[in-house]
Amino acid sequence: ETGVTQTPRHLVMGMTNKKSLKCEQHLGHNAMYWYKQSAKKPLELMFVYNFKEQTENNSVPSRFSPECPNSSHLFLHLHTLQPEDSALYLCASSQDLAGNQETQYFGPGTRLLVL
Amino acid sequence: QKEVEQNSGPLSVPEGAIASLNCTYSDRGSQSFFWYRQYSGKSPELIMSIYSNGDKEDGRFTAQLNKASQYVSLLIRDSQPSDSATYLCALDSGAGSYQLTFGKGTKLSVIP
Repeated sequence: ETGVTQTPRHLVMGMTNKKSLKCEQHLGHNAMYWYKQSAKKPLELMFVYNFKEQTENNSVPSRFSPECPNSSHLFLHLHTLQPEDSALYLCASSQDLAGNQETQYFGPGTRLLVL
Repeated sequence: QKEVEQNSGPLSVPEGAIASLNCTYSDRGSQSFFWYRQYSGKSPELIMSIYSNGDKEDGRFTAQLNKASQYVSLLIRDSQPSDSATYLCALDSGAGSYQLTFGKGTKLSVIP
């Protein structure tokens, strides 16, 4: 596998379920990101990790819990979600933190539907 | 609050024409600017990046940056139906900030 991979690609869950999204990057990058993309809204940055340390949490509700065990893997643990959390969740990585001319590379995303 | 404005479109152009996509932004400290293309149901992929005022050309794509006027544009020459997608403008906040702020995107439709 090359680039940034995400699993599952599609997920349907009830509001009482617990599920996890997985992201893996094969690019040797140091920074990883979780974004949320809802219909007709800009990409929203959720979390940023640099060298597996969280550097940003953009006021994300606690029902979203990230985990970064190493620089290549990033998880997003989901519990007691709401229907408005239905969206495309995108993982991205960059060599170092974005800005300073760093390019972010995106995974294919997980399409989440909360019933 | 940092804002990135794009016309949501759809922008329709005939095949072979030049498509012009525009983006304005509010944060004068932004240093790095990116154009991403996103096909329906797919993830964004980088098309162009630009960091200095002026034009930057890559094949059929030209990015134009004017920091004084706070706009960045993307020109697509000889537009093809395969260029039909949503184009996202993104920029950082400069001053060491590493967050990218994205616009809502402009949907481009190239008519055969």
